Amino acid sequence: ELKVEQNPLFLSMQEGKNYTIYCNYSTTSDRLYWYRQDPGKSLESLFVLLSNGAVKQEGRLMASLDTKARLSTLHITAAVHDLSATYFCAVAARGSNYKLTFGKGTLLTVNP
Amino acid sequence: NAGVTQTPKFQVLKTGQSMTLQCAQDMNHEYMSWYRQDPGMGLRLIHYSVGAGITDQGEVPNGYNVSRSTTEDFPLRLLSAAPSQTSVYFCASSYQGQGGLSGANVLTFGAGSRLTVL
Repeated sequence: ELKVEQNPLFLSMQEGKNYTIYCNYSTTSDRLYWYRQDPGKSLESLFVLLSNGAVKQEGRLMASLDTKARLSTLHITAAVHDLSATYFCAVAARGSNYKLTFGKGTLLTVNP
Repeated sequence: NAGVTQTPKFQVLKTGQSMTLQCAQDMNHEYMSWYRQDPGMGLRLIHYSVGAGITDQGEVPNGYNVSRSTTEDFPLRLLSAAPSQTSVYFCASSYQGQGGLSGANVLTFGAGSRLTVL
């Protein structure tokens, strides 16, 4: 059974600071997703990482994938209040392209 | 292009009642799925479909039925609602695309349906 663990689950940070969210998973996969959810809203896709060493960046967010370590990171650079949201990673086990297992999410609060 | 449309947005049921959550997408996506979101639990897959006429169970299928008679629609049925089914339900769709990876199965989510079972 594929397990996906995110940490931390709660993150309070000041504007301008840097931080990293970690996503570990338990079985072989070469497809990992990051989603963002604003309070009371739906989820929107941030990144999809498809191979070992993949790195994607959008604005102040950068995601990377290490399939050997079964680890993805979401790095936040110089946080701003607009980044406050819940961030989920989701993993598709190899051979199960359509079945995503989500982590429990990281609630990020960026304080002025 | 409406994307993924879910109805209703809110619903209150009594224990034992039945209902159907509707989901429709207009993007010609082959894959559709239902997730439930509970506090502290992330999203858990209930049922999914890889095409019309094909459905399969996810992580938490008990108490729910689905069918996929068309590419566009994927309703979720609660046959006899229980308080444990109080949750926010999300429908999502995606496509694999040509060459296996061009769509990469990035999920497009509906707005969600908040269900309360009393």
